[in-house]
Amino acid sequence: DARVTQTPRHKVTEMGQEVTMRCQPILGHNTVFWYRQTMMQGLELLAYFRNRAPLDDSGMPKDRFSAEMPDATLATLKIQPSEPRDSAVYFCASGSTHLTRQNIQYFGAGTRLSVL
Amino acid sequence: AQSVTQPDIHITVSEGASLELRCNYSYGATPYLFWYVQSPGQGLQLLLKYFSGDTLVQGIKGFEAEFKRSQSSFNLRKPSVHWSDAAEYFCAVGGGSGGSNYKLTFGKGTLLTVNP
Repeated sequence: DARVTQTPRHKVTEMGQEVTMRCQPILGHNTVFWYRQTMMQGLELLAYFRNRAPLDDSGMPKDRFSAEMPDATLATLKIQPSEPRDSAVYFCASGSTHLTRQNIQYFGAGTRLSVL
Repeated sequence: AQSVTQPDIHITVSEGASLELRCNYSYGATPYLFWYVQSPGQGLQLLLKYFSGDTLVQGIKGFEAEFKRSQSSFNLRKPSVHWSDAAEYFCAVGGGSGGSNYKLTFGKGTLLTVNP
């Protein structure tokens, strides 16, 4: 059963620390999305990759957030330095641009981040 | 700009009763429409999708949705709700022709409570 894998599932850290979240997209998928979910804002798109290239990161605070895809099986989202307002659940989703699967995004279980 | 409105933040129904969750969208072209469900502590799972063709689409778990272009709506329905349907439901809109159209915009969600 193919699925998107996110690690860690939970992360508690102190303000100012670096946080790295990882995502393994479904094998063969060529699009990766990072979302942040909070009670106040709901689901916000932070960044979007296609074929490992960043296409849109307009939703991401540039001063402290960065997203990369070192290879086709790994996407990372880093926060440095972290702040309490970054506390949220971060989701990774992957998809395929092949015609029959256009724009269906498959979500991981999320990383719940708490910044103290 | 694309947007999704889910007018009902929280709905409570009795087990066995029928359900309709409302979704209105704004999109400049032919939309791709989705309903996702999120159980507590989990990621989002795709319930159903509309790309083209028959405006009444069937999904998993006995759900269906109807696309009404004239009303810019994509309401989700189920004839008889089960206790296991208690979750949060998200409507989303996007395109499928590549580039930034692969982005999905999500509504704020509707929390469904099912009474025994």
